[in-house]
Amino acid sequence: ELKVEQNPLFLSMQEGKNYTIYCNYSTTSDRLYWYRQDPGKSLESLFVLLSNGAVKQEGRLMASLDTKARLSTLHITAAVHDLSATYFCASTNTGNQFYFGTGTSLTVIP
Amino acid sequence: GAGVSQSPSNKVTEKGKDVELRCDPISGHTALYWYRQSLGQGLEFLIYFQGNSAPDKSGLPSDRFSAERTGGSVSTLTIQRTQQEDSAVYLCASSPGGWGNQPQHFGDGTRLSIL
Repeated sequence: ELKVEQNPLFLSMQEGKNYTIYCNYSTTSDRLYWYRQDPGKSLESLFVLLSNGAVKQEGRLMASLDTKARLSTLHITAAVHDLSATYFCASTNTGNQFYFGTGTSLTVIP
Repeated sequence: GAGVSQSPSNKVTEKGKDVELRCDPISGHTALYWYRQSLGQGLEFLIYFQGNSAPDKSGLPSDRFSAERTGGSVSTLTIQRTQQEDSAVYLCASSPGGWGNQPQHFGDGTRLSIL
């Protein structure tokens, strides 16, 4: 079974600061997904990374994938309060299953 | 256009009863996914449909769980003889392409509570 680990689990950061959330996975995969979840809400797909070296950016968020290191990062630039949410990463195996990390709860403080 | 619609939004039932959860994907989306989210288990993948076909059902937690999709559109997730550990939020998502190729669009979920 593919295992996905995120760190940190909790992140409190000041507005305007930069930070990175890390997502490690245990077995070979060339696919990595990032999602956002607001409290009491459903999931929102942020990024789909489908190859080694893939980099995608949307606003203040940038995600990258290094399949050799089995690592994806979600970089936050100049954080704003609206980015406060829980962020999940997930990977897939060849057996058509998704495996999720435990999530990173991000709080951006004014 | 309409997003992914799930019904009911909330379901409370007694242990041992059967429940049926419904998902209406975005029109034209060929891929459909079911997940569940609980405090104890986090986010779990349940099953994926490409069209009406589910290539791998091993993500379903037990043989009490079944899912089907008809006409390449609506999907139902059925839980028989519900147990308290089935209490969770069940999420459905759809996407236009094949397995994991494109961003998924999620419904608001069905909150299932087993008494």
